Amino acid sequence: EAGVAQSPRYKIIEKRQSVAFWCNPISGHATLYWYQQILGQGPKLLIQFQNNGVVDDSQLPKDRFSAERLKGVDSTLKIQPAKLEDSAVYLCASSSGHEINQPQHFGDGTRLSIL
Amino acid sequence: DQQVKQNSPSLSVQEGRISILNCDYTNSMFDYFLWYKKYPAEGPTFLISISSIKDKNEDGRFTVFLNKSAKHLSLHIVPSQPGDSAVYFCAASAISSGSRLTFGEGTQLTVNP
Repeated sequence: EAGVAQSPRYKIIEKRQSVAFWCNPISGHATLYWYQQILGQGPKLLIQFQNNGVVDDSQLPKDRFSAERLKGVDSTLKIQPAKLEDSAVYLCASSSGHEINQPQHFGDGTRLSIL
Repeated sequence: DQQVKQNSPSLSVQEGRISILNCDYTNSMFDYFLWYKKYPAEGPTFLISISSIKDKNEDGRFTVFLNKSAKHLSLHIVPSQPGDSAVYFCAASAISSGSRLTFGEGTQLTVNP
């Protein structure tokens, strides 16, 4: 079974620029998550999708972050404009369901550096 | 408000000995707990989980213990192997919050040959 695919692996931009990350979940997984992991911290949930609907975006900084999952498969996370504090690894995860006992499977992440 | 805390940033053990990683939580609504392992430049990988109705779950060399009254859980790895060297994250979720995971800061485990 292919895992969660993310691209790009690395991205370097200047502050105030925009950036987008892409995620392709495990085939058949209805639930998709985006996490932000700042150096030295654990991952923090930004947004959760169930199919193409948003389940939880309570921790998403909506003034600059947006995400979509238009066809219920791939997803894109965008930051516009980027700030220095957005430097982090952005992880995408998927699970077969939204029940709490469904393990989340993570991609390898996109490391974002803001200059 | 750090609801899940791993107070030891690092742990070093000898190969063949037991590794014990600890995790504390403050939110009494948490009812499911997981451990993830993370190698450098890779995403976290699910390791083992435990429901709040249990106090122990075992899978091969890995055992997770839950002490609800103390709001404490631990991961035991025995025997430890050099390939176990990684960052270990404790995570928790509550039925009321769906499948949202709250992670601890992680503990870097180094197993020395």
